[in-house]
Amino acid sequence: DTAVSQTPKYLVTQMGNDKSIKCEQNLGHDTMYWYKQDSKKFLKIMFSYNNKELIINETVPNRFSPKSPDKAHLNLHINSLELGDSAVYFCASSARGRYYGYTFGSGTRLTVV
Amino acid sequence: SQQGEEDPQALSIQEGENATMNCSYKTSINNLQWYRQNSGRGLVHLILIRSNEREKHSGRLRVTLDTSKKSSSLLITASRAADTASYFCATIQDAGGTSYGKLTFGQGTILTVHP
Repeated sequence: DTAVSQTPKYLVTQMGNDKSIKCEQNLGHDTMYWYKQDSKKFLKIMFSYNNKELIINETVPNRFSPKSPDKAHLNLHINSLELGDSAVYFCASSARGRYYGYTFGSGTRLTVV
Repeated sequence: SQQGEEDPQALSIQEGENATMNCSYKTSINNLQWYRQNSGRGLVHLILIRSNEREKHSGRLRVTLDTSKKSSSLLITASRAADTASYFCATIQDAGGTSYGKLTFGQGTILTVHP
């Protein structure tokens, strides 16, 4: 009965590989997000989808591509992984509107070697 | 870009003491939120304060907001060892025109509560 679940929890891969992180929420929220947390714990938004429509697309390399098959799922695909992509990636969701807190997943720790 | 600056970056206290963390931000906001992150875990939403509110309480948490100074504080009273975590403030800007906003985080304060 996890509210926002991400898989995998850990991902170790070699440079140049392509990988995906999956996210699902069972809260009935309309909006989902991907955040990246770097080694200094700084959190930066990457993408946001509202009911399958892309609404926020920050300055992120084209190698990162989000996909939302339905409003309960938001996946993140990363092509040609680089060392600098190593970070913890968090999925989150919120109800529509500004006055709602976000519910975060437990994160995916990506290590590129 | 980073919206919030938090102060202090790290705080170490004894159980039972109060912990106060401060957050400053740069632009006009719609609301400000505080989150907790335990080591190796996701963020947990603690409290949201709207731009027209000055103070809000939730259990042992008290949040104040001063929009004229563009600052907020989070007070945790009677701290417990289980409160040990990183605490982040985050803001949603008052961009208007849309019903959704972008939550922008500060750097965070690492709180350690010693038993």
